[in-house]
Amino acid sequence: GAVVSQHPSRVICKSGTSVKIECRSLDFQATTMFWYRQFPKQSLMLMATSNEGSKATYEQGVEKDKFLINHASLTLSTLTVTSAHPEDSSFYICSARRGTSGYEQYFGPGTRLTVT
Amino acid sequence: GNSVTQMEGPVTLSEEAFLTINCTYTATGYPSLFWYVQYPGEGLQLLLKATKADDKGSNKGFEATYRKETTSFHLEKGSVQVSDSAVYFCALSDRNEKLTFGTGTRLTIIP
Repeated sequence: GAVVSQHPSRVICKSGTSVKIECRSLDFQATTMFWYRQFPKQSLMLMATSNEGSKATYEQGVEKDKFLINHASLTLSTLTVTSAHPEDSSFYICSARRGTSGYEQYFGPGTRLTVT
Repeated sequence: GNSVTQMEGPVTLSEEAFLTINCTYTATGYPSLFWYVQYPGEGLQLLLKATKADDKGSNKGFEATYRKETTSFHLEKGSVQVSDSAVYFCALSDRNEKLTFGTGTRLTIIP
Protein backbone atom coordinates (compact mmCIF):
# COMPACT_ATOMS: atom_id res chain seq x y z
CA GLY A 1 0.00 0.00 0.00
CA ALA A 2 0.87 3.65 0.04
CA VAL A 3 1.10 5.02 3.55
CA VAL A 4 1.38 8.63 4.58
CA SER A 5 2.09 9.60 8.17
CA GLN A 6 1.81 12.90 10.00
CA HIS A 7 3.50 14.00 13.17
CA PRO A 8 2.37 15.08 15.63
CA SER A 9 -1.21 13.85 15.62
CA ARG A 10 -2.21 16.68 17.92
CA VAL A 11 -0.41 19.69 19.31
CA ILE A 12 -1.28 22.52 21.65
CA CYS A 13 0.77 25.69 21.53
CA LYS A 14 0.63 29.19 22.94
CA SER A 15 -0.30 32.19 20.87
CA GLY A 16 2.73 33.74 19.17
CA THR A 17 4.78 30.57 18.95
CA SER A 18 5.52 28.52 15.82
CA VAL A 19 4.57 24.92 15.22
CA LYS A 20 5.98 22.47 12.69
CA ILE A 21 3.95 19.57 11.29
CA GLU A 22 5.65 16.77 9.37
CA CYS A 23 4.20 14.71 6.54
CA ARG A 24 6.02 11.59 5.38
CA SER A 25 5.39 9.10 2.61
CA LEU A 26 6.53 5.84 4.20
CA ASP A 27 6.71 3.41 1.31
CA PHE A 28 6.87 5.51 -1.84
CA GLN A 29 8.52 8.62 -3.20
CA ALA A 30 6.21 11.59 -3.38
CA THR A 31 6.93 14.05 -6.15
CA THR A 32 4.00 16.19 -5.09
CA MET A 33 2.50 16.84 -1.66
CA PHE A 34 -0.58 18.81 -0.71
CA TRP A 35 -1.62 20.54 2.50
CA TYR A 36 -5.26 20.91 3.45
CA ARG A 37 -7.06 22.58 6.32
CA GLN A 38 -10.38 21.37 7.69
CA PHE A 39 -12.70 23.34 9.95
CA PRO A 40 -15.36 21.57 12.00
CA LYS A 41 -18.23 20.34 9.84
CA GLN A 42 -16.62 21.83 6.76
CA SER A 43 -14.82 20.38 3.82
CA LEU A 44 -11.09 20.08 3.34
CA MET A 45 -9.71 23.27 1.86
CA LEU A 46 -6.53 23.05 -0.19
CA MET A 47 -3.89 25.39 1.20
CA ALA A 48 -0.90 24.69 -1.03
CA THR A 49 0.76 22.30 -3.43
CA SER A 50 4.45 21.51 -3.21
CA ASN A 51 6.71 19.71 -5.62
CA GLU A 52 9.98 18.30 -4.33
CA GLY A 53 12.76 20.83 -4.63
CA SER A 54 10.47 23.68 -5.67
CA LYS A 55 8.68 26.45 -3.87
CA ALA A 56 5.14 25.68 -2.82
CA THR A 57 2.21 27.08 -4.75
CA TYR A 58 -0.34 28.60 -2.39
CA GLU A 59 -4.06 28.87 -2.97
CA GLN A 60 -5.69 32.27 -3.04
CA GLY A 61 -6.18 33.70 0.42
CA VAL A 62 -3.53 31.55 2.12
CA GLU A 63 -0.72 33.57 3.69
CA LYS A 64 2.53 32.06 2.50
CA ASP A 65 4.56 33.90 5.14
CA LYS A 66 2.39 32.42 7.86
CA PHE A 67 2.19 28.88 6.55
CA LEU A 68 5.70 27.91 5.52
CA ILE A 69 5.95 24.75 3.46
CA ASN A 70 9.18 22.88 2.79
CA HIS A 71 9.31 19.83 0.53
CA ALA A 72 13.00 19.12 0.80
CA SER A 73 12.97 15.42 -0.02
CA LEU A 74 10.82 12.90 -1.87
CA THR A 75 9.47 11.53 1.39
CA LEU A 76 9.08 14.55 3.64
CA SER A 77 7.16 17.80 3.59
CA THR A 78 6.76 20.14 6.53
CA LEU A 79 4.20 22.82 7.32
CA THR A 80 5.25 25.46 9.82
CA VAL A 81 2.57 27.69 11.27
CA THR A 82 4.44 30.83 12.30
CA SER A 83 3.33 33.16 15.08
CA ALA A 84 0.24 31.05 15.62
CA HIS A 85 -3.00 32.61 16.83
CA PRO A 86 -6.20 31.00 18.09
CA GLU A 87 -7.83 31.41 14.67
CA ASP A 88 -5.16 29.07 13.26
CA SER A 89 -6.58 26.26 15.37
CA SER A 90 -7.73 23.63 12.94
CA PHE A 91 -7.21 20.14 11.56
CA TYR A 92 -4.35 20.03 9.05
CA ILE A 93 -4.15 17.17 6.57
CA CYS A 94 -1.45 16.35 4.08
CA SER A 95 -1.52 14.12 1.04
CA ALA A 96 1.18 12.78 -1.24
CA ARG A 97 1.30 11.70 -4.86
CA ARG A 98 3.90 9.72 -6.76
CA GLY A 99 3.95 11.95 -9.84
CA THR A 100 3.04 15.44 -10.91
CA SER A 101 -0.10 14.34 -12.72
CA GLY A 102 -2.32 11.35 -13.25
CA TYR A 103 -1.61 9.73 -9.89
CA GLU A 104 -3.77 9.06 -6.85
CA GLN A 105 -3.36 11.18 -3.74
CA TYR A 106 -2.72 9.31 -0.48
CA PHE A 107 -3.75 11.08 2.69
CA GLY A 108 -2.21 11.33 6.11
CA PRO A 109 -4.35 10.97 9.26
CA GLY A 110 -4.23 14.67 10.06
CA THR A 111 -2.88 16.90 12.83
CA ARG A 112 -5.13 18.71 15.30
CA LEU A 113 -3.62 22.11 16.16
CA THR A 114 -4.97 24.06 19.12
CA VAL A 115 -3.58 27.52 19.81
CA THR A 116 -4.31 28.88 23.26
CA GLY B 1 -15.40 28.04 -9.17
CA ASN B 2 -15.77 24.36 -8.43
CA SER B 3 -17.94 23.15 -5.58
CA VAL B 4 -19.34 19.93 -4.16
CA THR B 5 -22.51 19.61 -2.12
CA GLN B 6 -23.28 16.43 -0.24
CA MET B 7 -26.04 15.50 2.13
CA GLU B 8 -25.45 16.49 5.70
CA GLY B 9 -25.16 13.86 8.33
CA PRO B 10 -25.01 12.20 10.53
CA VAL B 11 -26.70 9.22 8.93
CA THR B 12 -27.61 6.26 11.12
CA LEU B 13 -28.78 3.00 9.61
CA SER B 14 -29.36 -0.54 10.75
CA GLU B 15 -27.15 -3.31 9.44
CA GLU B 16 -28.21 -4.62 6.00
CA ALA B 17 -30.12 -1.42 5.19
CA PHE B 18 -29.80 0.32 1.82
CA LEU B 19 -27.55 3.36 1.76
CA THR B 20 -27.68 6.47 -0.40
CA ILE B 21 -25.51 9.52 0.19
CA ASN B 22 -26.32 12.29 -2.25
CA CYS B 23 -23.63 14.37 -3.93
CA THR B 24 -23.99 17.10 -6.55
CA TYR B 25 -21.29 19.25 -8.05
CA THR B 26 -20.62 22.45 -9.92
CA ALA B 27 -17.63 22.61 -12.20
CA THR B 28 -16.45 23.95 -15.51
CA GLY B 29 -15.36 21.41 -18.05
CA TYR B 30 -15.37 17.71 -17.36
CA PRO B 31 -14.16 16.91 -13.86
CA SER B 32 -13.32 13.50 -12.46
CA LEU B 33 -15.46 12.50 -9.48
CA PHE B 34 -14.47 10.62 -6.35
CA TRP B 35 -15.74 9.20 -3.11
CA TYR B 36 -13.27 9.04 -0.24
CA VAL B 37 -13.81 7.27 3.09
CA GLN B 38 -12.20 8.12 6.41
CA TYR B 39 -12.23 5.51 9.14
CA PRO B 40 -11.63 6.64 12.75
CA GLY B 41 -8.02 7.64 13.33
CA GLU B 42 -7.01 7.09 9.70
CA GLY B 43 -6.42 9.23 6.64
CA LEU B 44 -8.85 9.59 3.76
CA GLN B 45 -8.83 6.59 1.41
CA LEU B 46 -10.07 6.55 -2.15
CA LEU B 47 -13.22 4.43 -2.25
CA LEU B 48 -14.17 4.77 -5.90
CA LYS B 49 -13.95 7.14 -8.83
CA ALA B 50 -15.38 7.92 -12.25
CA THR B 51 -13.63 9.96 -14.89
CA LYS B 52 -16.34 10.60 -17.49
CA ALA B 53 -20.08 10.83 -17.92
CA ASP B 54 -22.05 7.61 -17.37
CA ASP B 55 -19.04 5.86 -15.84
CA LYS B 56 -19.85 3.79 -12.77
CA GLY B 57 -17.28 3.51 -10.03
CA SER B 58 -17.54 0.56 -7.66
CA ASN B 59 -15.62 -0.91 -4.76
CA LYS B 60 -16.43 -2.97 -1.64
CA GLY B 61 -20.12 -3.12 -2.62
CA PHE B 62 -20.38 0.66 -3.02
CA GLU B 63 -21.34 2.20 -6.35
CA ALA B 64 -21.70 5.67 -7.82
CA THR B 65 -22.57 6.74 -11.36
CA TYR B 66 -21.31 9.95 -12.97
CA ARG B 67 -24.49 11.74 -14.11
CA LYS B 68 -23.60 14.77 -16.17
CA GLU B 69 -27.21 15.74 -16.87
CA THR B 70 -27.98 16.05 -13.16
CA THR B 71 -24.38 16.89 -12.10
CA SER B 72 -24.59 14.17 -9.50
CA PHE B 73 -22.49 11.31 -8.15
CA HIS B 74 -24.62 9.65 -5.48
CA LEU B 75 -23.05 6.88 -3.39
CA GLU B 76 -25.08 3.70 -2.90
CA LYS B 77 -24.70 0.35 -1.20
CA GLY B 78 -27.33 -2.34 -1.12
CA SER B 79 -26.61 -3.80 2.31
CA VAL B 80 -24.43 -1.91 4.78
CA GLN B 81 -22.34 -3.47 7.52
CA VAL B 82 -21.15 -2.18 10.87
CA SER B 83 -17.65 -1.95 9.37
CA ASP B 84 -18.92 0.67 6.90
CA SER B 85 -19.24 3.19 9.72
CA ALA B 86 -17.00 6.09 8.71
CA VAL B 87 -17.06 9.58 7.24
CA TYR B 88 -17.61 9.73 3.47
CA PHE B 89 -16.42 12.61 1.31
CA CYS B 90 -17.49 13.36 -2.23
CA ALA B 91 -14.89 15.20 -4.30
CA LEU B 92 -14.06 16.39 -7.78
CA SER B 93 -10.81 16.95 -9.58
CA ASP B 94 -10.42 19.51 -12.31
CA ARG B 95 -7.92 19.44 -15.15
CA ASN B 96 -5.33 20.89 -12.78
CA GLU B 97 -5.89 17.80 -10.63
CA LYS B 98 -6.78 19.82 -7.57
CA LEU B 99 -9.36 18.16 -5.37
CA THR B 100 -12.47 20.01 -4.20
CA PHE B 101 -14.27 18.23 -1.35
CA GLY B 102 -17.77 18.18 0.04
CA THR B 103 -18.27 18.63 3.78
CA GLY B 104 -18.37 14.91 4.53
CA THR B 105 -21.18 12.67 5.79
CA ARG B 106 -20.75 10.68 8.97
CA LEU B 107 -22.31 7.24 8.65
CA THR B 108 -23.05 5.03 11.65
CA ILE B 109 -24.33 1.47 11.20
CA ILE B 110 -26.10 -0.11 14.14
CA PRO B 111 -26.01 -3.91 14.56
